[in-house]
Amino acid sequence: NAGVTQTPKFRVLKTGQSMTLLCAQDMNHEYMYWYRQDPGMGLRLIHYSVGEGTTAKGEVPDGYNVSRLKKQNFLLGLESAAPSQTSVYFCASSYFGLVSDSNQPQHFGDGTRLSIL
Amino acid sequence: GQNIDQPTEMTATEGAIVQINCTYQTSGFNGLFWYQQHAGEAPTFLSYNVLDGLEEKGRFSSFLSRSKGYSYLLLKELQMKDSASYLCAVRDRYIPTFGRGTSLIVHP
Repeated sequence: NAGVTQTPKFRVLKTGQSMTLLCAQDMNHEYMYWYRQDPGMGLRLIHYSVGEGTTAKGEVPDGYNVSRLKKQNFLLGLESAAPSQTSVYFCASSYFGLVSDSNQPQHFGDGTRLSIL
Repeated sequence: GQNIDQPTEMTATEGAIVQINCTYQTSGFNGLFWYQQHAGEAPTFLSYNVLDGLEEKGRFSSFLSRSKGYSYLLLKELQMKDSASYLCAVRDRYIPTFGRGTSLIVHP
């Protein structure tokens, strides 16, 4: 059982380049999330999705776009990378349906370490 | 919006007990989660509280008081491997918001 898989694990970009981070989950979860984690800042929500074909902005969405064309995949795009986007990016997924499932936690991928020069 | 507060860093001795506090102010409340994150790794789930009181899971316990907007994570019989960051996350309706995390250092 793979859980949540993020690709790539590491990447170095130059300012202005674009790239897409891929997140895939095999747990049939409805909810998926993209976070960034910077020293001293904790996990900050970039975008999230509550189901296939839907996305919504989180706390720090500027400079990022997302797509959820298939339930199992959630893509995070950087159209024009900036040094301020150097960070560790975590994808997570969770199941949230019935009230009895409300204790279901988020499952995280191993992270993508992104450096922008 | 949500405001979640945790101490930045704590230190403790192997074998001791440590309590990590989390206070929050939210427009709605639908559960509080604690996660553990070792350096360079992904967060992993520790505990969940939605009703007032104590939840115990082996060496780890978590307490919640909704009226006070307060939770704590209690770690007993500390081991060196417990050195990690501990993240408090509060869910308003569907989406959890994380605090900045508490870095716990366990000394021999």
